[in-house]
Amino acid sequence: KNEVEQSPQNLTAQEGEFITINCSYSVGISALHWLQQHPGGGIVSLFMLSSGKKKHGRLIATINIQEKHSSLHITASHPRDSAVYICAVDPDKLIFGTGTRLQVFP
Amino acid sequence: DAGVIQSPRHEVTEMGQEVTLRCKPISGHNSLFWYRQTMMRGLELLIYFNNNVPIDDSGMPEDRFSAKMPNASFSTLKIQPSEPRDSAVYFCAGGTSGSSYTGELFFGEGSRLTVL
Repeated sequence: KNEVEQSPQNLTAQEGEFITINCSYSVGISALHWLQQHPGGGIVSLFMLSSGKKKHGRLIATINIQEKHSSLHITASHPRDSAVYICAVDPDKLIFGTGTRLQVFP
Repeated sequence: DAGVIQSPRHEVTEMGQEVTLRCKPISGHNSLFWYRQTMMRGLELLIYFNNNVPIDDSGMPEDRFSAKMPNASFSTLKIQPSEPRDSAVYFCAGGTSGSSYTGELFFGEGSRLTVL
């Protein structure tokens, strides 16, 4: 069993829809990261969080340490949000999930 | 700041050849990570340095792989001899890390390696 599980693996949405990507992990962590990888391949750090919730524009990340679960929400999705979203947990080095491929259609 | 700079962006080589990938981290960052990404295995940590010292190289596949960080502004990942199964995108990332946490990471654009 992978230490970091993401769901769904693939997600398609219409522009404007609310999107949720989930991440569950099985190890103790000091922080959890959400990364975005664009079709061109570049990786950008979206959030690093260890408790509660963080918001940046239309993106919201939450984490429940007791349940070992995090969610990434995108409000009012847009085609430019199309990317692979990767969850990574940090016990003392990053362990990556396999990613969720999101496609948002106009 | 220009961000994390990797070179080359693309490399095609023949099996058996030596490959050297280079990374220039953002000034002031004390940690540097080399990752490999493949379709089959996703992102995997190869090695990471803290204050130029290798901390964990347990992800390095085998002796054919070696990494160095001679100073705070430069790191190399070398594969010798290269094999087709080494074909992947290699990412360098940096950040400000402590002894028990990684901190926010800043990724380079990656080096896409194809070994024929």
